[in-house]
Amino acid sequence: DAGVIQSPRHEVTEMGQEVTLRCKPISGHNSLFWYRQTMMRGLELLIYFNNNVPIDDSGMPEDRFSAKMPNASFSTLKIQPSEPRDSAVYFCASRADISSYEQYFGPGTRLTVT
Amino acid sequence: GENVEQHPSTLSVQEGDSAVIKCTYSDSASNYFPWYKQELGKRPQLIIDIRSNVGEKKDQRIAVTLNKTAKHFSLHITETQPEDSAVYFCAASNSFSGPPNNLFFGTGTRLTVIP
Repeated sequence: DAGVIQSPRHEVTEMGQEVTLRCKPISGHNSLFWYRQTMMRGLELLIYFNNNVPIDDSGMPEDRFSAKMPNASFSTLKIQPSEPRDSAVYFCASRADISSYEQYFGPGTRLTVT
Repeated sequence: GENVEQHPSTLSVQEGDSAVIKCTYSDSASNYFPWYKQELGKRPQLIIDIRSNVGEKKDQRIAVTLNKTAKHFSLHITETQPEDSAVYFCAASNSFSGPPNNLFFGTGTRLTVIP
């Protein structure tokens, strides 16, 4: 099992550009979570999906952020337009099913917006 | 919403000594408390968790205790080794009808084990 896969691992972009982060959950997992990690705010949940359906997006900071999960094996987190304060490490995590508690994190995408 | 506070922010111990990290939470409805370990540049990984129906759980050198009345829980690492050096995060959540979804994380403790 390859675990949760995220791409790119590093992204450097200029302010105002669109950024798309990608995640492939562990095969067979039904839930997917997007987190943001910064020194100031620590680990914050942005949004999560159950069976490809967004359940709670209250953590999404503003309308510039959007997330989709078109199928069980792929999700995207998009920032448009990006701002320097969006610089952070973005983690995707997946969970097996409704009876499972453990979330498995991907390696993260380090985003730098200049 | 839930507020999780974690102390200390940094902790240095000699190899072989014990390390204790403490967290408090605000929402009395929280009933699931995982601990994650994050090595430098790596992903967070679950090392132990506890649910509110028990007061203590142990897994080899790692143990977690929970005091629901005081709303605090702690991670205990005994016989520390250099490979225990990492940032440790506590989290809290409630799960009334299934596994928790929204994990509220503490701010992390950077543990350094000095050989």
